[in-house]
Amino acid sequence: AQTVTQSQPEMSVQEAETVTLSCTYDTSESDYYLFWYKQPPSRQMILVIRQEAYKQQNATENRFSVNFQKAAKSFSLKISDSQLGDAAMYFCAYRGATNKLIFGTGTLLAVQP
Amino acid sequence: GAGVSQSPRYKVAKRGQDVALRCDPISGHVSLFWYQQALGQGPEFLTYFQNEAQLDKSGLPSDRFFAERPEGSVSTLKIQRTQQEDSAVYLCASSPRQGRYSNQPQHFGDGTRLSIL
Repeated sequence: AQTVTQSQPEMSVQEAETVTLSCTYDTSESDYYLFWYKQPPSRQMILVIRQEAYKQQNATENRFSVNFQKAAKSFSLKISDSQLGDAAMYFCAYRGATNKLIFGTGTLLAVQP
Repeated sequence: GAGVSQSPRYKVAKRGQDVALRCDPISGHVSLFWYQQALGQGPEFLTYFQNEAQLDKSGLPSDRFFAERPEGSVSTLKIQRTQQEDSAVYLCASSPRQGRYSNQPQHFGDGTRLSIL
């Protein structure tokens, strides 16, 4: 069975600085997708960024980028120029052949002004 | 609608009562998922529909949980004889057809917070 591990329950970053959130996963599948979702207190899961496992190039979306290391099964999220609105719970998620998302336990990000 | 709509937003029920949670997916989305999120945890998969067919219900925790999507659009998650451990946020997500070569993400609703007294 696939698992997703987020080892940082909480992180803090100063406004305008850069922060990296860690995620590792375990799978025997070769084709899969990885996602980072943001969940503010309003509860809605908002997609931040996605990565296809067959692509070697790391995905980027404006201030958000990933460091995808397939051999190490690592998928970290880098947030550049952090803003107050980035404060939220961040979840790493895996989707394989079963189509369901498998989530990590989340990292609560605080942004200090 | 513009996004996934869930109702009610909050539901309080007494232990032993039955509850029904509704999900309106994004128009045209074929796939629909239900997840359960306990306090301080990540969401956990409950069940998955493709159109009206329930393709995977392996995450339903007991036979008290039942989901349906009779016309391939709106879905209802029903919990019978509720227990305190059912207290959680129930999230619904929809997407265009999922599959091995589809990178389409799942779009989530705001969830229903269920509290069992």
